[in-house]
Parts: sequence; C-alpha cells; structure tokens
Amino acid sequence: EVQLVESGGGLVQPGGSLRLSCAASGFTVSSNHMNWVRQAPGEGLEWVSVIYSGGSTYYSDSVKGRFTISRDNSENTFFLQMHSLRAEDTATYYCVRMPAASHGWYFDLWGRGTLVTVSS
Amino acid sequence: EIVLTQSPDFQSVTPKEKVTITCRASQSIGSNLHWYQQKPDQSPRLLIKYASQSFSGVPSRFSGSGSGTDFTLTINSLEAEDAATYYCHQVNTLPWTFGQGTKVEIK
Repeated sequence: EVQLVESGGGLVQPGGSLRLSCAASGFTVSSNHMNWVRQAPGEGLEWVSVIYSGGSTYYSDSVKGRFTISRDNSENTFFLQMHSLRAEDTATYYCVRMPAASHGWYFDLWGRGTLVTVSS
Repeated sequence: EIVLTQSPDFQSVTPKEKVTITCRASQSIGSNLHWYQQKPDQSPRLLIKYASQSFSGVPSRFSGSGSGTDFTLTINSLEAEDAATYYCHQVNTLPWTFGQGTKVEIK
C-alpha cells in the first residue's frame, strides 16, 4: 500500500528540540519531492519545508535556521529536526509527497499527521 | 511571498445546490494552483491540480477554472459528504502558500 506514516510528535518545552520521522511505503522517497506541512489547532495549512529528489532543501521563513529536513534513503524515511521550538510551532505536522517522477508539483499523498505541542 | 485570498470564508449550502469558491493570488501564478478538501479530523485530499485538472478518483461534480490571479472551485450539486474546508495552494514560487480556507457547511 502506498502511504506515509509520521511519528515523533509530542509535548516539548519552549526552546526544546524534537525530531519527526515520516516512513514511506509503496514508493521511493528519494525519487520524489518530500514536504512537511503543518496546521495549528483550528487554523489553516502552512507549508514548512521540502527536500527535492536531487537533495536540495528549502524552508519557510518562520522555521529557517531552526528546522532541518533530511532523508535516509536506505530506510525510505525522511525527517524534520526541530530546534528552538516556540509556542507558535504547536501544530499537527503532515508529511506530504510531490510526485517528482511524474513531474507533479502538487501534494498528492498525505500522512495522517503527528501533533507537536510546545508548552511549559 | 505570494498571498492567496479565498472567498467566502464560510458558506452554508443546501444539498444539490451549486457552490463556488474563489481564490485570488497577489501576483500572477499562471496555472500553478491546486485545490484540496479537508474533512474534520482528516488529512487534506487533492481535488484539482493545475487550476482545472481533476485528480484521480475525484467525483465529476468538482471542477476548477482560472489562470493568472483569479481561480474558482465549483461543486455542482453539493452532497452531504462535501461538508469540509477547501484550500487553494500555489506552487509557482517558493515559499509555497495556501489560502486561508473556505468552510462549507450543509444546511
């Protein structure tokens, strides 16, 4: 089955760190552009970061310098390392695929999300 | 950053009625605009790609149009299962951005 499964969310204090993982099955992570999109409670969608199939990475201004996206090709998994977390980072984090293999610059596959809560 | 503004923010609609949601971009984005549906407690789902192309498995009552700065999502003959929040999304320029969402309620 083609799917994405996030893990690693939880409660963390302001200033703390957390690492999110997204395990893919049914397709190859490194052949696609993989993203993180977040949604604060009761709010809309916000794009966070992308790692292109070629390895280039990009971030939203709100997380640049604090978050790092990476992938492990052998595990078919990608990650979001989050440092210096703030209350405004509280959100459900979705991992999302852009199907680079078909030149698709759209989000065609979403995980179920993992909740990150930043609070003391 | 390209700002996407959707209207309306909320719409209460009777089943079988037609729904129209608009999305306006702060600068021209060609056809690099997609639409998603998010039902309560679910992940978003792609409906329309590149402004007017239906994604696989999406019911034919959903359609999209527009280019440049003005885009429209139309739901013909609304069904109860269409109660959701709808988002537009541009991929013309990083950072990719979303509209604020339009919540569609069934009367």
